[in-house]
Amino acid sequence: GAGVSQSPSNKVTEKGKDVELRCDPISGHTALYWYRQSLGQGLEFLIYFQGNSAPDKSGLPSDRFSAERTGGSVSTLTIQRTQQEDSAVYLCASSLELAGGGGSYEQYFGPGTRLTVT
Amino acid sequence: KNQVEQSPQSLIILEGKNCTLQCNYTVSPFSNLRWYKQDTGRGPVSLTIMTFSENTKSNGRYTATLDADTKQSSLHITASQLSDSASYICVVSPYNTDKLIFGTGTRLQVFP
Repeated sequence: GAGVSQSPSNKVTEKGKDVELRCDPISGHTALYWYRQSLGQGLEFLIYFQGNSAPDKSGLPSDRFSAERTGGSVSTLTIQRTQQEDSAVYLCASSLELAGGGGSYEQYFGPGTRLTVT
Repeated sequence: KNQVEQSPQSLIILEGKNCTLQCNYTVSPFSNLRWYKQDTGRGPVSLTIMTFSENTKSNGRYTATLDADTKQSSLHITASQLSDSASYICVVSPYNTDKLIFGTGTRLQVFP
């Protein structure tokens, strides 16, 4: 079956503009995660969803970042008033159930969206 | 100080040789430890997942070990291939949260 897909694959935007990144998880996966990977850095956790709810939003870098998930499927990560430090690869992953805490479900990653803020 | 530290940062080996990558973590308690392989420009792919009670897990030429007492894990790659060139990331899952904590990775290059 299809894996996790993300769109767009590349996005170049001007500083101050809003951007929306999309993630289509594997069908049937209830858990969905967003990460950010800056150049030469490790993955930084942003937010996760269990179904449509996001129990922990503390990883979001600022209030310019928000995310939602509808229908237990597609998720969008929105960055308002983009800044140059937002430039990074944004990765989405999904798993059958939660991959952390007491669970150990496998996470499947999408190819990422490379965001460049000029 | 990062909660998950990996060494070396980068490694160059010749095709056919073995190598071992290290991961030291301070996360405690934790529920599982994972190793991922990330090719350039791609998302990470899971290699192994070990619960806190497991000592070793193999996946083909990849063997991960875990010592929960010393809070160390290693990933051993046997008979390396050119396609093993990638970043290898150690990830620890704390017991009381669903956030995963990622190390910064080891960049492995395999040359013919």
